[in-house]
Amino acid sequence: SQQGEEDPQALSIQEGENATMNCSYKTSINNLQWYRQNSGRGLVHLILIRSNEREKHSGRLRVTLDTSKKSSSLLITASRAADTASYFCATDEGGGSNYKLTFGKGTLLTVNP
Amino acid sequence: EADIYQTPRYLVIGTGKKITLECSQTMGHDKMYWYQQDPGMELHLIHYSYGVNSTEKGDLSSESTVSRIRTEHFPLTLESARPSHTSQYLCASRGFYAGNEQFFGPGTRLTVL
Repeated sequence: SQQGEEDPQALSIQEGENATMNCSYKTSINNLQWYRQNSGRGLVHLILIRSNEREKHSGRLRVTLDTSKKSSSLLITASRAADTASYFCATDEGGGSNYKLTFGKGTLLTVNP
Repeated sequence: EADIYQTPRYLVIGTGKKITLECSQTMGHDKMYWYQQDPGMELHLIHYSYGVNSTEKGDLSSESTVSRIRTEHFPLTLESARPSHTSQYLCASRGFYAGNEQFFGPGTRLTVL
């Protein structure tokens, strides 16, 4: 069953604007990760935020995590046409012998030049 | 760039044929995964392995089988391909510690006629 659910399913913006994607999940997690997928390719890891962290930055990326609401957001600032891709959140429940990530359905981001 | 490789990248094959999708990683990761993904859709975990001689079925039932005889190699086999197997297959690996990111291969796009 899907753990993470991204919102919106698709987002279209102009170059230079900020893009915000949200992810909701259902169970307790060890950490939450965001991945990017260019069309027809494999996924690339962007950023990981642990359950005891509230915010993390990496370049133009900013991730927040609210464990009380079981939600996370990914903000891409000053977007570029090259940011066009699908973005997935993945939850890591951790603990014991469970090393599986559960991926959401993804948000398709289109950045228009 | 992740050191995880998949071959072939594209495969078009007739119904009833036996196929093996190859996945290799040079990072010494103990955990490896196979996902199935239709275009623009979510990832579904179909197989995973936490080490040599360890394989488990994932969340989505699949007629494929896997083996893990060597740490670096995690091939997926379909004994008799059918049109319903047409999809993209993504291989991934993960390091020793819980909370590590997953590295993905570029994927194999399979079309069964």
